[in-house]
Amino acid sequence: EAQVTQNPRYLITVTGKKLTVTCSQNMNHEYMSWYRQDPGLGLRQIYYSMNVEVTDKGDVPEGYKVSRKEKRNFPLILESPSPNQTSLYFCASSPGGREPQHFGDGTRLSIL
Amino acid sequence: SQQGEEDPQALSIQEGENATMNCSYKTSINNLQWYRQNSGRGLVHLILIRSNEREKHSGRLRVTLDTSKKSSSLLITASRAADTASYFCATLMPNAGGTSYGKLTFGQGTILTVHP
Repeated sequence: EAQVTQNPRYLITVTGKKLTVTCSQNMNHEYMSWYRQDPGLGLRQIYYSMNVEVTDKGDVPEGYKVSRKEKRNFPLILESPSPNQTSLYFCASSPGGREPQHFGDGTRLSIL
Repeated sequence: SQQGEEDPQALSIQEGENATMNCSYKTSINNLQWYRQNSGRGLVHLILIRSNEREKHSGRLRVTLDTSKKSSSLLITASRAADTASYFCATLMPNAGGTSYGKLTFGQGTILTVHP
């Protein structure tokens, strides 16, 4: 089954403790992206990747890092999480940047 | 304010009625996409309309795009209770250097409730 898989689905952690949210897709898509969703603000793009080793900033990249070493994986790294990064995070992929995106089921992060 | 703004923020209708949601944006786009989200779940793509297209249909969905007014609308005809969800428009723009198209900006969404 074609899917975008995020892990973990839920995480409660503390300020300053580095964490990684993994994202994997099995559709051989070139494009992958991360979003955060906050009430009243819709989805905001954090980073995206047009292909392996090619990443670019979205609208809210501060406090996040990404890497794209393999086509199928696009992890989101929070090196020093803060409470304002508490949010619902979505990973998505598509065949190319101009195509519709397939979304994962989301990761709910709470940073205390 | 954001690139994409949607109107209304919430819409409540009866089954069988039509639902219209509007999206406005500020800068030139490559395409505009509509997505649906059931409560707390991942988004599902509905329709993509390119900047040189004016109207697209998919089943009970009709999307229009007016690039001169920088606006789009999503019409759901003969609504069903199962259409209850949040609907988002998203605009695709080039990156800062204009070298690739991957920057997708979402509106704040319209919450649609269809009563049986």
